[in-house]
Amino acid sequence: EVQLVQSGAEVKMPGESLKISCRGSGYSFTTKWIGWVRLMPGKGLEWVGIIYPRDSDTRYSPSFQGQVTISADKSISTAYLQWSSLKASDTAIYYCARSTMVNSYFDYWGQGTLVTVSS
Amino acid sequence: QSALTQPRSLSGSPGQSVTISCTGTSSDVGGYNYVSWYQQHPGKAPKLLIYDVSKRPSGVPDRFSGSQSGNTASLTISGLQAEDEADYFCCSYAGRYTVIFGGGTKVTVL
Repeated sequence: EVQLVQSGAEVKMPGESLKISCRGSGYSFTTKWIGWVRLMPGKGLEWVGIIYPRDSDTRYSPSFQGQVTISADKSISTAYLQWSSLKASDTAIYYCARSTMVNSYFDYWGQGTLVTVSS
Repeated sequence: QSALTQPRSLSGSPGQSVTISCTGTSSDVGGYNYVSWYQQHPGKAPKLLIYDVSKRPSGVPDRFSGSQSGNTASLTISGLQAEDEADYFCCSYAGRYTVIFGGGTKVTVL
């Protein structure tokens, strides 16, 4: 069974750093893309970016380029989304999701990680 | 990149049909056959309903169907059921290895 299991909820202060994770199982982790999607309160879904774990080829939405870093450790079938300096506006639920191609649909999703940034 | 345009809300009675539109541009929806649709219930992760404009994954009821005309894609829910009450998001490839979502439509079953 394909599963994407994300790390737990985080509460951080503005300016702090954070790295959340997404562990894949039930399939060959290096043969599918892993994307990150943001859901802000009262807003729609936003595509953050995507990574191909086999070679770490990474693409970002222009809106998130330079704001976050996506990485992966194929040895432990885990993808990451990280911030070096959080802002209150980063408060959202972040989902990881699996895709066959960089331009394709997401067929499996993680359960979501709630990130709260507040002073 | 602006989000794809969806109606904020729609409603229908059980058994009726509702159609959700998703309007983009020739640089995204109209330029590729890579539109997908997702259903999201409160507090849950999104679920894939339709991919490549009109294909249904295994396990998705055939009450859900997708289509596209020019820069507008559509999701039709036929025979509306109570469990269809949820948020629905469209998604399209937007070129240059990027993807864009719609703002979401809340469907209410009356």
